[in-house]
Amino acid sequence: GAVVSQHPSWVICKSGTSVKIECRSLDFQATTMFWYRQFPKQSLMLMATSNEGSKATYEQGVEKDKFLINHASLTLSTLTVTSAHPEDSSFYICSASPGKLNYGYTFGSGTRLTVV
Amino acid sequence: GQNIDQPTEMTATEGAIVQINCTYQTSGFNGLFWYQQHAGEAPTFLSYNVLDGLEEKGRFSSFLSRSKGYSYLLLKELQMKDSASYLCATLRDDKLIFGTGTRLQVFP
Repeated sequence: GAVVSQHPSWVICKSGTSVKIECRSLDFQATTMFWYRQFPKQSLMLMATSNEGSKATYEQGVEKDKFLINHASLTLSTLTVTSAHPEDSSFYICSASPGKLNYGYTFGSGTRLTVV
Repeated sequence: GQNIDQPTEMTATEGAIVQINCTYQTSGFNGLFWYQQHAGEAPTFLSYNVLDGLEEKGRFSSFLSRSKGYSYLLLKELQMKDSASYLCATLRDDKLIFGTGTRLQVFP
């Protein structure tokens, strides 16, 4: 089945530094990937749509200069949290569709970011 | 927001049946998904409905009424491992938008 790999699983960084999270589709090509953020005991909030070869589209209220997205190939999207602050601590998770909607969108395993 | 509403929490007994409801805005609707998510893990796909009616898949079934903007997930023969969050999501412009999620606790 379709697999999306996400790394790292968890990361602790100091306030003011930047963190890069990778999302890879392992057995299918994904021209579009999606980045979500999830706070404890809350649902997934869509942050942005990552488009291969073009600029990402961000949801309302998401700072594009803070959350940099790069989708340089058909199998890799990266999310960089720049100048991280403690309030950016969250569970970040990516997803992609292998093409057939009745199989659903596949999610990566998520990245737990803690900013200290 | 997208106004996708679900009950926040539900409880049920092992072996019982539970129905988790979801209501959503009908404009721009292209399909409805249900996912299961255990704490700290990625969501896993349960079902996809795009036409009205009931889709059955083992112990889990999902129902959709497009005219009413309503769906439910039915879980039968509940097991302890079914304790998790259940997320309803609608597909709009190829984007999966999630509801508030329902935390289900199954008790012995």
